Amino acid sequence: QKEVEQNSGPLSVPEGAIASLNCTYSDRVSQSFFWYRQYSGKSPELIMSIYSNGDKEDGRFTAQLNKASQYVSLLIRDSQPSDSATYLCAVITLGGSYIPTFGRGTSLIVHP
Amino acid sequence: EAGVTQFPSHSVIEKGQTVTLRCDPISGHDNLYWYRRVMGKEIKFLLHFVKESKQDESGMPNNRFLAERTGGTYSTLKVQPAELEDSGVYFCASSPVGTVNTEAFFGQGTRLTVV
Repeated sequence: QKEVEQNSGPLSVPEGAIASLNCTYSDRVSQSFFWYRQYSGKSPELIMSIYSNGDKEDGRFTAQLNKASQYVSLLIRDSQPSDSATYLCAVITLGGSYIPTFGRGTSLIVHP
Repeated sequence: EAGVTQFPSHSVIEKGQTVTLRCDPISGHDNLYWYRRVMGKEIKFLLHFVKESKQDESGMPNNRFLAERTGGTYSTLKVQPAELEDSGVYFCASSPVGTVNTEAFFGQGTRLTVV
């Protein structure tokens, strides 16, 4: 049974701070990792993807992957109130039909 | 380009009734996924179509759920008869045929409330 674990939160950070969102996964052959952001009542939208160990930066967002520890994280620098949303971690495992498996999401609140 | 669209956005039905949810994927996307999110829980996979074929339906909870994708275009998910525990948000996602790195695009979901 493939599992993706996230702390449901809420994670509350002040405006301008770094928000750190974490995700662990159980299947060692997992290959692709995605972070989706979902605003209330809206569809999940992809903000970052990462496939190799290390860091990947895109603007204020940095994804970090450690396959040995089965851990992927998302850092949001200079957090803004508009970043307040639920962040979903999704994992695709090599083989089969490449179906994304999701965690339950972490609710992030950025307060002014 | 139109994104993934779902109808209706919200449905309230009584226990025992039938409801049909519809998903129109992005044009040209052969992969179509149905997911469900029950309050407080993770988004759980229901099934996966490649064109009109069911590739994986291991997540379907029971035989009260029937999904179809006639002609490999839009898909419907019927719940008959609906039970209280079927309440949740049903998401549809689509992606083109690709690799393990291919992104899935989501619709806004249908919020189903069974009373």
